[in-house]
Amino acid sequence: DTGVSQDPRHKITKRGQNVTFRCDPISEHNRLYWYRQTLGQGPEFLTYFQNEAQLEKSRLLSDRFSAERPKGSFSTLEIQRTEQGDSAMYLCASSLGQGSYSNQPQHFGDGTRLSIL
Amino acid sequence: GNSVTQMEGPVTLSEEAFLTINCTYTATGYPSLFWYVQYPGEGLQLLLKATKADDKGSNKGFEATYRKETTSFHLEKGSVQVSDSAVYFCALSDQSLGGYQKVTFGTGTKLQVIP
Repeated sequence: DTGVSQDPRHKITKRGQNVTFRCDPISEHNRLYWYRQTLGQGPEFLTYFQNEAQLEKSRLLSDRFSAERPKGSFSTLEIQRTEQGDSAMYLCASSLGQGSYSNQPQHFGDGTRLSIL
Repeated sequence: GNSVTQMEGPVTLSEEAFLTINCTYTATGYPSLFWYVQYPGEGLQLLLKATKADDKGSNKGFEATYRKETTSFHLEKGSVQVSDSAVYFCALSDQSLGGYQKVTFGTGTKLQVIP
C-alpha cells in the first residue's frame, strides 16, 4: 500500500491560466474522490468516480472544472481560466467500495496547493 | 442535510494533559463516524472510526464513542504529546442519493501541545 499520490504538491499560476492536477489512488481502490479545502475549513466534496464513471458532481464544480478517470486508475482535475477564488488545497481520496454502499474509510493524498496570483 | 459541528480551536494544552475535542452531528440515516488528523502541509490521515451506535474507535491512545442518543462522537486522549499537535477533523459518512459514500467534514479543531 503506497498510499494516494498527488502531483504537483504546489502550483502557482496567474489568473486566467489553465491548470491540471493528477491523482494516483491506492491501486486496488475502485472509488476516487476530489475535494477542495480552504484555509480553516474542512474538505468540501467536488466529485466522485467509481472505476472510470463519474457518478456525482457537486454544485461547487463549475463549468470551468473538469475531472476524468479514463482507465479507472489515475484521475486528473483541470481548472480552466483560473480565478482568485480557486486558490485552495485540492485533495484526492480513494476507497474500496463493494456493492451500492460501503463504509470503508477514504484514504487521502497530501493534496495540491493552488495559488492564483 | 448532514452536518458536523466541532468545538472551535485552537486548543492549547501542556504535555501529558487530558484532551477532549467535542463533535456532534446531524444525519438523516445511520452514518459511520470518523476522526481524521491533518499535520501541516499534509493530507488527512484516518485516526479512528466507528460504524454503529455504542462502537468505540481507538488508535494511538485516542478514542471516541459513537453516542446515538446525544448524536456525539467526542475525541479523547488521556495524555497528549507535542507530536499530537495537528488539526483534527470529525466526519460522518452516509449513502448519498447517487449511491456513494458521501463524507461530511467538520471545520476542524487545531490542537497545540506545549512542552
